[in-house]
Amino acid sequence: AQSVTQPDIHITVSEGASLELRCNYSYGATPYLFWYVQSPGQGLQLLLKYFSGDTLVQGIKGFEAEFKRSQSSFNLRKPSVHWSDAAEYFCAVGASGNQFYFGTGTSLTVIP
Amino acid sequence: NAGVTQTPKFQVLKTGQSMTLQCAQDMNHNSMYWYRQDPGMGLRLIYYSASEGTTDKGEVPNGYNVSRLNKREFSLRLESAAPSQTSVYFCASSEVGHRGRPEAFFGQGTRLTVV
Repeated sequence: AQSVTQPDIHITVSEGASLELRCNYSYGATPYLFWYVQSPGQGLQLLLKYFSGDTLVQGIKGFEAEFKRSQSSFNLRKPSVHWSDAAEYFCAVGASGNQFYFGTGTSLTVIP
Repeated sequence: NAGVTQTPKFQVLKTGQSMTLQCAQDMNHNSMYWYRQDPGMGLRLIYYSASEGTTDKGEVPNGYNVSRLNKREFSLRLESAAPSQTSVYFCASSEVGHRGRPEAFFGQGTRLTVV
């Protein structure tokens, strides 16, 4: 069965520090992988996506993610976090039949 | 460039009342979805519609009904609201694009409180 695990419920980082949010997935076939960001009171915005090819994908707002098939992971990274990055982040896998499965989210707090 | 539009944005209901959440997309997508978001639970699929004229249950369909009115619109109805349905509801649409790659677009959400 398809599933997405985000092991970190909440992460706090200092502004300017690097960030890595973890995501592990379970899916039998080649996965389509996504990271979404949700600012308070807002909908979900697509940060980046992986379909195939280069395993390091670049997204908006300076984010990147690396697909590691051997580890079933798709971790999100940013070299230097800004206060405006405080939000909730969701990892998702796109499955056949145009289905999407989401993780439970990681809440990011950025301290000055 | 509206994308996915949900109405209303906020709603308070009394237990037992009914209401319909509306969703419309202008991207000509075939597939549409209703999710609910609860703290610590992520997004859980309530119902989805793979194409106009079809609907299917998702993970948490009990207490809800849906209607795919046309290709653009997908509504979610609560016939008799319960406090357990207090949540944030998101509508989404998607299309299988080039080489079968899907991508979902979300509305801004409806914050529903049932008292």
